[in-house]
Amino acid sequence: QKEVEQDPGPLSVPEGAIVSLNCTYSNSAFQYFMWYRQYSRKGPELLMYTYSSGNKEDGRFTAQVDKSSKYISLFIRDSQPSDSATYLCAPLDGMRFGAGTRLTVKP
Amino acid sequence: DVKVTQSSRYLVKRTGEKVFLECVQDMDHENMFWYRQDPGLGLRLIYFSYDVKMKEKGDIPEGYSVSREKKERFSLILESASTNQTSMYLCASRRSNNSPLHFGNGTRLTVT
Repeated sequence: QKEVEQDPGPLSVPEGAIVSLNCTYSNSAFQYFMWYRQYSRKGPELLMYTYSSGNKEDGRFTAQVDKSSKYISLFIRDSQPSDSATYLCAPLDGMRFGAGTRLTVKP
Repeated sequence: DVKVTQSSRYLVKRTGEKVFLECVQDMDHENMFWYRQDPGLGLRLIYFSYDVKMKEKGDIPEGYSVSREKKERFSLILESASTNQTSMYLCASRRSNNSPLHFGNGTRLTVT
């Protein structure tokens, strides 16, 4: 079992939709998690990072961690075509990354 | 803003060549990392460094080596390039163990 699992998608939604991106992890020692957005032919860009358990909000983005089920989520409200990218999750140690979910937001 | 700069965006090399990929960060970060990214496999850690002259193997170090002679610079070396090393290479840095990673824009390496 991989330490971090992420559905690769692709995921396609209409503009304005609420998007839910998810990861599961197996190592209960992970405390902090990072979310990255990666546009085509670019490096990953840090969106936010969060401590295990609870929510963290930044504009249209909310990161959520459920430590009991080892499940982390990134919600995007009022999605825009500019949100079309691949989203990556990882524990803060940077040793393992999810495979990334490819998101397309259609105008 | 943190800036992580990778010296080349695109590189084409021949099988057997020695290849150097350079990465420089301008924020006095302690830790630096090299990953490769392949479709369907995601990011895989090659090597990382906690400090100058220190290096640790990641998940896939075979065929690679690294050098960190100065704090701001972390080099990835392909001793004898092979076609299966064709990939996107990403460098990242962070201030400390409890900080998030900041990535460069990657080097797309093609080995023919």
